[in-house]
Amino acid sequence: DSGVTQTPKHLITATGQRVTLRCSPRSGDLSVYWYQQSLDQGLQFLIQYYNGEERAKGNILERFSAQQFPDLHSELNLSSLELGDSALYFCASSADPLSYNEQFFGPGTRLTVL
Amino acid sequence: AQSVTQLGSHVSVSEGALVLLRCNYSSSVPPYLFWYVQYPNQGLQLLLKYTSAATLVKGINGFEAEFKKSETSFHLTKPSAHMSDAAEYFCAVRYGGSQGNLIFGKGTKLSVKP
Repeated sequence: DSGVTQTPKHLITATGQRVTLRCSPRSGDLSVYWYQQSLDQGLQFLIQYYNGEERAKGNILERFSAQQFPDLHSELNLSSLELGDSALYFCASSADPLSYNEQFFGPGTRLTVL
Repeated sequence: AQSVTQLGSHVSVSEGALVLLRCNYSSSVPPYLFWYVQYPNQGLQLLLKYTSAATLVKGINGFEAEFKKSETSFHLTKPSAHMSDAAEYFCAVRYGGSQGNLIFGKGTKLSVKP
């Protein structure tokens, strides 16, 4: 158990819909990262937050957004969903993005868009 | 653009045989390097990391990796494969600075034959 929790574990929805994925980092970790894992793209970095502020953006679509709340949990919002958004979404956390501390990954949310 | 290359999307070994999973990174500046393992339907678990302290890094479950700057490589090895090692392995790099996101390779699926 990494200490990172993600809900829900599975999500099935239809095209055009909007969903919210939730992540709680390890106790004490200030940095949260979101990654998308799909068969064709592999593991891709989406976005990073540090202590409530956006720190870096990766290959995140404009239809996707995220935020980190004062209690440090984070939410990833996916809207106008397309079939190609079906993937496993991971959240990871680390203590300090400036150090070489490893990132601890949650179990992921499997999103299926029908 | 910085990238990570894992040679071989599938590697099959016999139980008790040497495991060698290859990883090369593209950068003139040595990054921080990580190997993660993903078991079916689970998140990513850190196996080991290189942070410039020592070129030979020992990780969990008997795995180790050697950083070779001249070859820009960080190959993962285990002297004797066990059935429980069957999983997907990801090499990842992280460069310094305020952006702490990981750049992952495509992954190598390891099969272990009895």
